[in-house]
Amino acid sequence: SYVLTQPPSVSVAPGKTARITCGGNNIGSKSVHWYQQKPGQAPVLVIYYDSDRPSGIPERFSGSNSGNTATLTISRVEAGDEADYYCQVWDSSSDPSGVFGGGTKLTVL
Amino acid sequence: EVQLVESGGGLVQPGGSLRLSCAASGFTFSSYWMHWVRQAPGKGLVWVSRINSDGSSTSYADSVKGRFTISRDNAKNTLYLQMNSLRAEDTAVYYCARVVGHYGPFDYWGQGTLVTVSS
Repeated sequence: SYVLTQPPSVSVAPGKTARITCGGNNIGSKSVHWYQQKPGQAPVLVIYYDSDRPSGIPERFSGSNSGNTATLTISRVEAGDEADYYCQVWDSSSDPSGVFGGGTKLTVL
Repeated sequence: EVQLVESGGGLVQPGGSLRLSCAASGFTFSSYWMHWVRQAPGKGLVWVSRINSDGSSTSYADSVKGRFTISRDNAKNTLYLQMNSLRAEDTAVYYCARVVGHYGPFDYWGQGTLVTVSS
């Protein structure tokens, strides 16, 4: 089965740039979606199809995907960005299953 | 406004059964594929199951195959998850989620319902 690997935690000072990676075998050939989840809340889609942003998501959130790594970048980090972030793809089987990364806890120092 | 509201969670003994519901509103439910995703306490998101728009095709994670059944009633705008032979490891918050297209992003999620399997 397809595996997505995320760092358990990332820390960043307010105003700086956070980069959260999502590793997978040739992930660049897949479409990657990113979700933000705050404690006690449902996940929220923040980036889809590698780099598109849903309406209402700040431009500070961006994404890229190439080779074996997809990256979620959050510029000018704010305290309110502190959350868990998950990457997600569909595997390449004949009946695709959803695959999530293990999640990354973003801490704003 | 798109809304997904889950219900039916609770405490159940190992080996027991539970049926979750997800009431949808604010969009044409019958046009969308729907999914269940779960999250064990303190753990990450795990995809559980999906159903196509008319209910004729379903898919399951290996961990629940043969025990869980996803279904939908498009007349009632409701998604279901019948969970049988429940195990302690099925303890989780269960979310229903709408997917864009067939294999796109999950663009809307419910608030989740907690299932606890314990004696």
